[in-house]
Amino acid sequence: EDKVVQSPLSLVVHEGDTVTLNCSYEVTNFRSLLWYKQEKKAPTFLFMLTSSGIEKKSGRLSSILDKKELFSILNITATQTGDSAVYLCAPAQGGSEKLVFGKGTKLTVNP
Amino acid sequence: GAGVSQSPRYKVAKRGQDVALRCDPISGHVSLFWYQQALGQGPEFLTYFQNEAQLDKSGLPSDRFFAERPEGSVSTLKIQRTQQEDSAVYLCASSPGALNQPQHFGDGTRLSIL
Repeated sequence: EDKVVQSPLSLVVHEGDTVTLNCSYEVTNFRSLLWYKQEKKAPTFLFMLTSSGIEKKSGRLSSILDKKELFSILNITATQTGDSAVYLCAPAQGGSEKLVFGKGTKLTVNP
Repeated sequence: GAGVSQSPRYKVAKRGQDVALRCDPISGHVSLFWYQQALGQGPEFLTYFQNEAQLDKSGLPSDRFFAERPEGSVSTLKIQRTQQEDSAVYLCASSPGALNQPQHFGDGTRLSIL
């Protein structure tokens, strides 16, 4: 059975802190891994990772994939209150490209 | 359109009623997906279309759930004889259809069954 485990489930930090969010997965026919940020509404796309060991970076956010250990991390440096959201990890399966989501990590950044 | 558009934003129905949820994908996007998101959980896959063809409906929870995309653009998710456990946010996503292209989500329809 396909499984995606995110940790921690919840995290509270102060502005300026650095956080690391974890995602481990076991899915059949793995194609890629995506990270999304979900506030009140639609999940918004952050990163798509297809190759091991290549860091993707966007501003204060970065992410990396380890296809051997079936693991990905999302780093956020110098957190801001606007980073408060649920962060979702989702491997994509080949064929339909359907996403298998974890439960998410709820990040709260306090001023 | 600029993004994926879903309607209605909120739907309240009595148990046993039929409901229809609409999704208008990003213009030109070949692939369309429906997901169900329960409170405090990640989205769960329901079904997938490539143009008008429904290629995967393995996530539909029962035969009360039906989806269509007759002209390869707008899609409708229909739930017949609704039950309380159908209460959830229903998310639609679309992608260009080429390999390794991310899915972009709409804001969802929040369905509440009384």
